[in-house]
Amino acid sequence: DTAVSQTPKYLVTQMGNDKSIKCEQNLGHDTMYWYKQDSKKFLKIMFSYNNKELIINETVPNRFSPKSPDKAHLNLHINSLELGDSAVYFCASSQDWGRDRGAGIYGYTFGSGTRLTVV
Amino acid sequence: QKEVEQDPGPLSVPEGAIVSLNCTYSNSAFQYFMWYRQYSRKGPELLMYTYSSGNKEDGRFTAQVDKSSKYISLFIRDSQPSDSATYLCAMSRYSSASKIIFGSGTRLSIRP
Repeated sequence: DTAVSQTPKYLVTQMGNDKSIKCEQNLGHDTMYWYKQDSKKFLKIMFSYNNKELIINETVPNRFSPKSPDKAHLNLHINSLELGDSAVYFCASSQDWGRDRGAGIYGYTFGSGTRLTVV
Repeated sequence: QKEVEQDPGPLSVPEGAIVSLNCTYSNSAFQYFMWYRQYSRKGPELLMYTYSSGNKEDGRFTAQVDKSSKYISLFIRDSQPSDSATYLCAMSRYSSASKIIFGSGTRLSIRP
């Protein structure tokens, strides 16, 4: 039973193409995220959705468009792919956005990543 | 300057050694501190978390936070080859799972 699953695992495509990555979580979490991990392993947040509502939108080119059809799914569509988009994209989910639980913190549950290579 | 700095390594130690991994940060508003472990070709998994300053121990792992120095550490005792992975520190201002800022990770290799 995969908690956070992403498809595809690998994606090789040419510059200028449009592609989508899908993410689903079966944990009942309220919040989902897209992170980009570059070749130096640096993880940077791109977007976050809470109950289908966009709550974090970092400085990301508008060629990247997230879509959340329901709170268990968060997809990422990328238009006009560029060489610099090559990276590993991780989906993650978490519980309890906005509610302070004192010393408790739930962190994120990550998917296994989608390795995107633009040629 | 990045908000969170972490030595990328690689760090190679013999099995059984004590490992020390560290991060520094610049934002004094961070209150919640985490360590994630990432195996090759996998997503990061939460290893430990701590709140504010102090120590927390879980089996062979100890996390330390020194807010006055803006410095956090993860110690691994009796290191095993299965501990070989990239370790990412992470931190957040709030206890709820909000925007978490990650370090760039330290690659650790435990030699049998």
